[in-house]
Amino acid sequence: GESVGLHLPTLSVQEGDNSIINCAYSNSASDYFIWYKQESGKGPQFIIDIRSNMDKRQGQRVTVLLNKTVKHLSLQIAATQPGDSAVYFCAETGAWGSARQLTFGSGTQLTVLP
Amino acid sequence: EAGVAQSPRYKIIEKRQSVAFWCNPISGHATLYWYQQILGQGPKLLIQFQNNGVVDDSQLPKDRFSAERLKGVDSTLKIQPAKLEDSAVYLCASSLDPGGHEQYFGPGTRLTVT
Repeated sequence: GESVGLHLPTLSVQEGDNSIINCAYSNSASDYFIWYKQESGKGPQFIIDIRSNMDKRQGQRVTVLLNKTVKHLSLQIAATQPGDSAVYFCAETGAWGSARQLTFGSGTQLTVLP
Repeated sequence: EAGVAQSPRYKIIEKRQSVAFWCNPISGHATLYWYQQILGQGPKLLIQFQNNGVVDDSQLPKDRFSAERLKGVDSTLKIQPAKLEDSAVYLCASSLDPGGHEQYFGPGTRLTVT
């Protein structure tokens, strides 16, 4: 079936370094790809999204890259801070007009080392 | 702006017992979602409401799970009877846009079935 998956379950980076979290997807009909951050004991929090007709989108300290050729997207976090430690989920949603349910991947645990 | 409220935050029950969770979405958000998040996995959509109507409940185990949103605001999710495999965090989310992928999540209810 359709799925969204992540390459690595855990990632450790030094404070101040850049982080790259990767995600693979299989649904060619996906319309939006979204990154969520989930801190311990909290619900997921929207970070950034990218529509399927784009290949790059930047936010505050974050950049999402989409490569439709290989069905891959990544989240880059610049100058990683201790507050960035969390589980990061990529999610995808179908074309507009459907129920547009979010399908989440299994998550990558990012740990920021002092 | 107040966030999505959920209660209780934690619940421990024995198998075959019943349990109910409550959610109050962000004011003005017409769309409400219930997700199940098993430890180590991403959230899985159980049911989506648009106002007080069900948009998608294809992944809701209807033999034991039920949900309602009678007045288009608050919602309750019930499990009756509970099984061991229902142990999970139950997340409620809401969005302003009917097809919104920018969803706002509550803190969740952690259910343990013994």
